[in-house]
Amino acid sequence: GENVEQHPSTLSVQEGDSAVIKCTYSDSASNYFPWYKQELGKGPQLIIDIRSNVGEKKDQRIAVTLNKTAKHFSLHITETQPEDSAVYFCAATNRDDKIIFGKGTRLHILP
Amino acid sequence: NAGVMQNPRHLVRRRGQEARLRCSPVKGHSHVYWYRQLPEEGLKFMVYLQKENIIDESGMPKERFSAEFPKEGPSILRIQQVVRGDSAAYFCASSPQRGPGTDTQYFGPGTRLTVL
Repeated sequence: GENVEQHPSTLSVQEGDSAVIKCTYSDSASNYFPWYKQELGKGPQLIIDIRSNVGEKKDQRIAVTLNKTAKHFSLHITETQPEDSAVYFCAATNRDDKIIFGKGTRLHILP
Repeated sequence: NAGVMQNPRHLVRRRGQEARLRCSPVKGHSHVYWYRQLPEEGLKFMVYLQKENIIDESGMPKERFSAEFPKEGPSILRIQQVVRGDSAAYFCASSPQRGPGTDTQYFGPGTRLTVL
């Protein structure tokens, strides 16, 4: 079945710097890759997603890239701010349209 | 527009009791998913339902757990005879449609179940 690996598990960056979170997936049939942000005590919130027919998508300070050949995709956050501190989850659909989540990256923005 | 609603937000049960978790999807969404999250871990799929139908329950334990999504009212995740290992955050998500590459899911705030 689909396996989604996410790295790193913890990431600390200085405020204003960029943060990059990387994920790999195993199911070549995967065609939808959402990213979720989860703040303490809250549910995951969709922040950006990408479908397999595009290689890159950007929304203000957030961008996602997808390399289908290598089966990996990445989240890039530029000009990080304190409110970016949270746990971020990548995910990928498997051939049954089920969303499989990575284990999460805890992002700390340092003042 | 109201998002996904879940209640209660926190639930405490003693071993052997029943837990009922409720989820009201986004208005107009007919697909509901339940996930379980253990501390410091990602979300694990449990069950996918449409109105009055269980589509995929492959992630749900065979015993003590059940789910429903009636024609009227919220989706219910029911855990009978709870054990300490059931302590977790349970999240519900909904989507307007399902199909290859169309499955954008919106999550509720979760129910945190504690079993004493």
